[in-house]
Amino acid sequence: ETGVTQSPTHLIKTRGQQVTLRCSSQSGHNTVSWYQQALGQGPQFIFQYYREEENGRGNFPPRFSGLQFPNYSSELNVNALELDDSALYLCASSLVRGSSYEQYFGPGTRLTVT
Amino acid sequence: AQSVTQLDSQVPVFEEAPVELRCNYSSSVSVYLFWYVQYPNQGLQLLLKYLSGSTLVKGINGFEAEFNKSQTSFHLRKPSVHISDTAEYFCAAVAMEYGNKLVFGAGTILRVKS
Repeated sequence: ETGVTQSPTHLIKTRGQQVTLRCSSQSGHNTVSWYQQALGQGPQFIFQYYREEENGRGNFPPRFSGLQFPNYSSELNVNALELDDSALYLCASSLVRGSSYEQYFGPGTRLTVT
Repeated sequence: AQSVTQLDSQVPVFEEAPVELRCNYSSSVSVYLFWYVQYPNQGLQLLLKYLSGSTLVKGINGFEAEFNKSQTSFHLRKPSVHISDTAEYFCAAVAMEYGNKLVFGAGTILRVKS
């Protein structure tokens, strides 16, 4: 059974640029959630996708957007990067329909905005 | 609003001593509760979960937690810690009426000293 994977591991971008982060769900999971974890804080929910549709969103501006593909992998896109976007971005997958229960997390992508 | 509070930002403890990491939540209705562990530069690993049933929940690596509805608490305990337990621990909650949003506490850093 393959766990949740994320790419890239680390990324450095300049303010104003755009970035795409990728996530492959655990085998058989149909729901993907994205979280932002700033330094010294707990993860904050960005949004969730269930069967390619957005299924809940946290308090993040529209420049944070996402996609889920038919194979349940997912992308997180961030436009017009700001310094405060520097964080660890975590992807989590789960099996139960649209659920946040028993989420399995990937290792994260560390984004640094300069 | 649903929130999760971890009462200690850091907990130092000597090896083989017992430890308790405290977590309180606020929710007016049924809630699911989780503890995750995060080792340096890694994603989150699920330690244990409370969904229903017995209020004493046992997890991996010898950890357990007790759900106390009257005190709205879900404290994590281990009778004897090891150096390898040094990590950051996050309490998290999902309340069904809030949909699919997993809400995390700010984290507690457990430092095990020899």
